[in-house]
Amino acid sequence: DAGVIQSPRHEVTEMGQEVTLRCKPISGHNSLFWYRQTMMRGLELLIYFNNNVPIDDSGMPEDRFSAKMPNASFSTLKIQPSEPRDSAVYFCASTPRDINTGELFFGEGSRLTVL
Amino acid sequence: KNEVEQSPQNLTAQEGEFITINCSYSVGISALHWLQQHPGGGIVSLFMLSSGKKKHGRLIATINIQEKHSSLHITASHPRDSAVYICAVRSTGTASKLTFGTGTRLQVTL
Repeated sequence: DAGVIQSPRHEVTEMGQEVTLRCKPISGHNSLFWYRQTMMRGLELLIYFNNNVPIDDSGMPEDRFSAKMPNASFSTLKIQPSEPRDSAVYFCASTPRDINTGELFFGEGSRLTVL
Repeated sequence: KNEVEQSPQNLTAQEGEFITINCSYSVGISALHWLQQHPGGGIVSLFMLSSGKKKHGRLIATINIQEKHSSLHITASHPRDSAVYICAVRSTGTASKLTFGTGTRLQVTL
């Protein structure tokens, strides 16, 4: 299996621009997570989908952030407008079954720099 | 005080040494994860524990639910073990949210 696939791996953009990060979970996995990692705050959960439905979005920082999962094989995280403080590595992860018993499989991450 | 505390923050060892990384948490949990992050950033799940002990190759993870403590051991350490090791807990009643420790940076030298 190819694993969790994220794109782009690196993105540099200017403040105010829209950023879209993409994730393809492992086939058959029914839970998907978006995490953000910064030096100051470490890893933080942004949003969790189960069977394509957002279950917990309490970690989404503000209205500038939105996430969708239109089908079982694709999810996007969008930031509009982007700000320098959004600079971080964004990880997507999926798990094959119940969240309380399934191991997490992470993508390689998307490193975002907002100038 | 963070819900998840790891120690040490940084660790340097020589090849072949036995290594222990500790994780203490302050909440009731349904599961604890050990993750490995190499330079370059990819994160790999090493173990998921809810009780007892698990072993995979040279890695051993233990958890003591009563003491709210877990350890990750690496036997016969090797330079390729150099990475950041992150402990994360899933609190009971929070189905989706993992709380992460700040990580332990391990450097294994020849």
